[in-house]
Amino acid sequence: DAGVIQSPRHEVTEMGQEVTLRCKPISGHNSLFWYRQTMMRGLELLIYFNNNVPIDDSGMPEDRFSAKMPNASFSTLKIQPSEPRDSAVYFCASPRGGNTGELFFGEGSRLTVL
Amino acid sequence: AQKVTQAQTEISVVEKEDVTLDCVYETRDTTYYLFWYKQPPSGELVFLIRRNSFDEQNEISGRYSWNFQKSTSSFNFTITASQVVDSAVYFCALSEAHTGNQFYFGTGTSLTVIP
Repeated sequence: DAGVIQSPRHEVTEMGQEVTLRCKPISGHNSLFWYRQTMMRGLELLIYFNNNVPIDDSGMPEDRFSAKMPNASFSTLKIQPSEPRDSAVYFCASPRGGNTGELFFGEGSRLTVL
Repeated sequence: AQKVTQAQTEISVVEKEDVTLDCVYETRDTTYYLFWYKQPPSGELVFLIRRNSFDEQNEISGRYSWNFQKSTSSFNFTITASQVVDSAVYFCALSEAHTGNQFYFGTGTSLTVIP
C-alpha cells in the first residue's frame, strides 16, 4: 500500500497568493484528517471528513481556509489569500479500520508564506 | 480544557539511560483509545502503539514499554537503554467514541539522547 500521499512537499509563496495542498488517503480508509503543526501551537486538527463529508471543521482558522473531499481518494486544503502566519507543516492523515484505528500520516506539506 | 497533557516539554538523557515520557488524558467516555506517535527530525509522524480503554495490560515491544493506568488516567511510555536514534518528539493522543472518534494530540515531548 502506498500510504497517505501529500503534495507538494514544500511550497514557498508570497502573501496574498492562493495555496492548494493535496492529499490522497490510503485506499479503503473512510475518514481523512487535516492537521497543522507549528512550533507555537503544536498539532492542531483543522477538519476531518467521514465518507467524504466534513464532520467537524471547527478547527479551520478562518474563512481563508477551505477543504474539500470530492471523492474517497482525494482531498484538498486551500488557503486564499495566504498570510505569513499560515506558515506551518500541514499533515493529512487517515485512520485504519475506521476512526478507532491508528492514524496514518502523510509526510506533510511544509508551507512558507513570505 | 486539554484532553491530553504531556507536561514534559523537553527531556535530555545520556545514551543507555532509561527515560519515561508522561501522558495524562481526560475523558468521560468509557470507550476510548490511546496512542503514541514518534516524530523524528525528518518530520514524519510514526505510529508506535494503540491501546483501547478496556485493556489495561502493559505492553512491551523491544526497548519500548507502555504503562496504562485508568485509575490515574495515564498512559506513560518508557524507553529502556535509550539510543541516539530515539531522539524525536513523542506525541500522546486520545480518540473518543462519542466525539466521532476525533483524535486529540498532546503538545509533545522532545527527547534528546546525548551520545
